[in-house]
Amino acid sequence: RKEVEQDPGPFNVPEGATVAFNCTYSNSASQSFFWYRQDCRKEPKLLMSVYSSGNEDGRFTAQLNRASQYISLLIRDSKLSDSATYLCVVWLYNQGGKLIFGQGTELSVKP
Amino acid sequence: GAVVSQHPSRVICKSGTSVKIECRSLDFQATTMFWYRQFPKQSLMLMATSNEGSKATYEQGVEKDKFLINHASLTLSTLTVTSAHPEDSSFYICSAAGGRNNEQFFGPGTRLTVL
Repeated sequence: RKEVEQDPGPFNVPEGATVAFNCTYSNSASQSFFWYRQDCRKEPKLLMSVYSSGNEDGRFTAQLNRASQYISLLIRDSKLSDSATYLCVVWLYNQGGKLIFGQGTELSVKP
Repeated sequence: GAVVSQHPSRVICKSGTSVKIECRSLDFQATTMFWYRQFPKQSLMLMATSNEGSKATYEQGVEKDKFLINHASLTLSTLTVTSAHPEDSSFYICSAAGGRNNEQFFGPGTRLTVL
């Protein structure tokens, strides 16, 4: 079983749609959680951290449920520029401190 | 945010040659740098963790004699792919950990193609 699993993609949505990505992680020792965005043939860039209380950054809302080891990302009013691959990432402290990446979910926003 | 550079951005080489990739933290000192590999349509896979002045820690399944890592200073780590073969063709990305929260900042990646 993969340590971090995400929805298979791709997601093809029209502009203005709301889209939700799900992610589960298997290691209960995971301590920090993130969503990264990766554009084609580029490095990943931090989109936002994810907290148990839930957090919002503009059109993006992230949620964490530690009990069910589940993370989500909601994008409202999607824009063409949101087209990218979204990576769910956990940080494991007990393995020397390292980031574990999910395989990513590809989002394509169409006009 | 902090800036991490990689050089070269793209390299094409013949099978059997060695390729060195540099990762530099430009505006901060990074005691720890990480090397990842990403194959098409797959996620980033951590290859090794590099601490300045000490030997790198390799992930399971990564050959330390094939992927040589040197972290001689707080701003530079190098990855050398020795005797590269076509199956080593991939996108290699480094990251450097620094700042108050020890956040990881990613380099732009190096695309290696072995013919």
